[in-house]
Amino acid sequence: AQSVTQPDIHITVSEGASLELRCNYSYGATPYLFWYVQSPGQGLQLLLKYFSGDTLVQGIKGFEAEFKRSQSSFNLRKPSVHWSDAAEYFCAVGNNNAGNMLTFGGGTRLMVKP
Amino acid sequence: DTAVSQTPKYLVTQMGNDKSIKCEQNLGHDTMYWYKQDSKKFLKIMFSYNNKELIINETVPNRFSPKSPDKAHLNLHINSLELGDSAVYFCASSQAGTANTEAFFGQGTRLTVV
Repeated sequence: AQSVTQPDIHITVSEGASLELRCNYSYGATPYLFWYVQSPGQGLQLLLKYFSGDTLVQGIKGFEAEFKRSQSSFNLRKPSVHWSDAAEYFCAVGNNNAGNMLTFGGGTRLMVKP
Repeated sequence: DTAVSQTPKYLVTQMGNDKSIKCEQNLGHDTMYWYKQDSKKFLKIMFSYNNKELIINETVPNRFSPKSPDKAHLNLHINSLELGDSAVYFCASSQAGTANTEAFFGQGTRLTVV
């Protein structure tokens, strides 16, 4: 069965500092990987996705993520965090054999200090 | 022009009542989903429908019954509501069977059972 682990429940960074959110997955085949962001009281917005090809993927809002098969990781990064990035971030793996259902990690809450 | 819309956004009801949440997507996708987000923000798949047919039914009490009148709609009916049903319910859609796809989420319905 597939699973996703986000080891950090909360992360606090200063505005302008760099950010890395960790994600580890377990999946039997080539994974389809996603990062979603959820702002308070809002739905989920896709930041970026990985299906194949270049292991460094660029997303919206200046985010990027790197797929590392050897480490079963798909960490999310941003070089300079803005106060508006404060939100909940979810990593997910998709199962193309089960109607593209997503298995989510537990989420990481990002807080940004002024 | 909202891609995935759910109604209502908030729902407060008493234990034992029956309620429905509606979901519509205008993206032309053939697969729709219901996810449940609990109080700890954990997201889990409940149901998946492809072309109006149920393809995934995770371990969900049979008090929950999804209904898909057409490809663009997937409603969730809940009988005999219990306190533990309080959560945020997200509808989503995607185009299954294609490798490069992603799920689009609605804004969520916050259900509070009192």
